[in-house]
Amino acid sequence: GENVEQHPSTLSVQEGDSAVIKCTYSDSASNYFPWYKQELGKRPQLIIDIRSNVGEKKDQRIAVTLNKTAKHFSLHITETQPEDSAVYFCAASGFGNEKLTFGTGTRLTIIP
Amino acid sequence: NAGVTQTPKFQVLKTGQSMTLQCAQDMNHNSMYWYRQDPGMGLRLIYYSASEGTTDKGEVPNGYNVSRLNKREFSLRLESAAPSQTSVYFCASSEARDDEKLFFGSGTQLSVL
Repeated sequence: GENVEQHPSTLSVQEGDSAVIKCTYSDSASNYFPWYKQELGKRPQLIIDIRSNVGEKKDQRIAVTLNKTAKHFSLHITETQPEDSAVYFCAASGFGNEKLTFGTGTRLTIIP
Repeated sequence: NAGVTQTPKFQVLKTGQSMTLQCAQDMNHNSMYWYRQDPGMGLRLIYYSASEGTTDKGEVPNGYNVSRLNKREFSLRLESAAPSQTSVYFCASSEARDDEKLFFGSGTQLSVL
């Protein structure tokens, strides 16, 4: 089955700087790569996703890049703000949500 | 719209006790899921229901049973709780099995002593 590795497990960034979280996946058949944000004590929420036919996707201050050849994808957050502090999960899947495999999470802390 | 509603929010059980976690969604979604979240392990799928009337095992189904009561409701039952089942449980739903966006409930923090 799919295996998703996520790094780093914790990340501290000065407010206004950029943050990058990286994930690798093992199954070359995976074609969907979402990122979920989970604030402390809250539910995970989808913030951005990318499909395998696209190399990069942006939504305001967040962007995701995908390298299919190397089987890795990354989340980029620019101009970080205190409300960006949360745990971020990457995931990968082929067809069907039941195949969605999550990474172990990155706790991002924005230092004011 | 409330989205995905889970009850209870917190529960403490003794080893061997049973309980049912309830989940309901009001988005007319076809597919529903139960995940557990453990420190350092991300979210792992326990069971899912692709559509009303069907249920299937996920990655970690042992010790659990599920019931898709109707299109709105999907319950998770622990028949004989074990300390290894101490976790945070999330219910989620999606429009369809291949509609990847998941909507999560607020979670149930379960401790088994």
